[in-house]
Amino acid sequence: EVQLVESGGGLVKPGGSLRLSCVASGLTFSSNGMNWVRQAPGKGLEWVSSISSGSSYIRYADSVKGRFIISRDNAKNSLYLQMNSLRAEDTAVYSCVRDLTSSWPDAFDIWGQGTMVTVSS
Amino acid sequence: EIVLTQSPATLSLSPGERATLSCRASQSVSRYLAWYQQKPGQTPRLLIHDASNRATGIPARFSGSGSGTDFTLTISSLEPEDFAVYYCQQRSNWPLTFGGGTKVEIK
Repeated sequence: EVQLVESGGGLVKPGGSLRLSCVASGLTFSSNGMNWVRQAPGKGLEWVSSISSGSSYIRYADSVKGRFIISRDNAKNSLYLQMNSLRAEDTAVYSCVRDLTSSWPDAFDIWGQGTMVTVSS
Repeated sequence: EIVLTQSPATLSLSPGERATLSCRASQSVSRYLAWYQQKPGQTPRLLIHDASNRATGIPARFSGSGSGTDFTLTISSLEPEDFAVYYCQQRSNWPLTFGGGTKVEIK
């Protein structure tokens, strides 16, 4: 079965940290760019960060730049997001998303179910 | 940052009717535009990439057109399962951006 499974979400206080993980199975992982996309409750989609297949290229949304770090381990078919200095406005479901092809960036073809991050005191 | 403006915000239609959704970019994105469908409680599903290419398994009633700054997603005849929120997204420039969404609801 083709799937991306995220973990690591939870409740954290403002200023705290979390590390999200995403494990891929049943799909090509190492050849495609990967992304994190978030969706606040009742809101639209927001791109957070992208990483190329070999980790040579990385991009962040301005809203998270300097606070979040994306990384991947192709040997483990895994994607990560280290989230530091969390703010209330980071509260959202965070989804791991695969690029459609090896072009970077590309459309998002496979989405994980997401993990909820709540930042609140 | 490229801003994508979707219209209308809500589209009220009956099954069998034709749906026309618009996405306008604040500057040219060439044909690097995708469309996604999201149903309540579900993750988005890729419908169209590169403006007009249907993703794998997407029914032929979904079609995309446009280039530059103006794009359209057309659903030729709405099926009950098509009532959902639709987002456009550009990959022409960083940061990648999404439109605010169009909700297609049952009239």
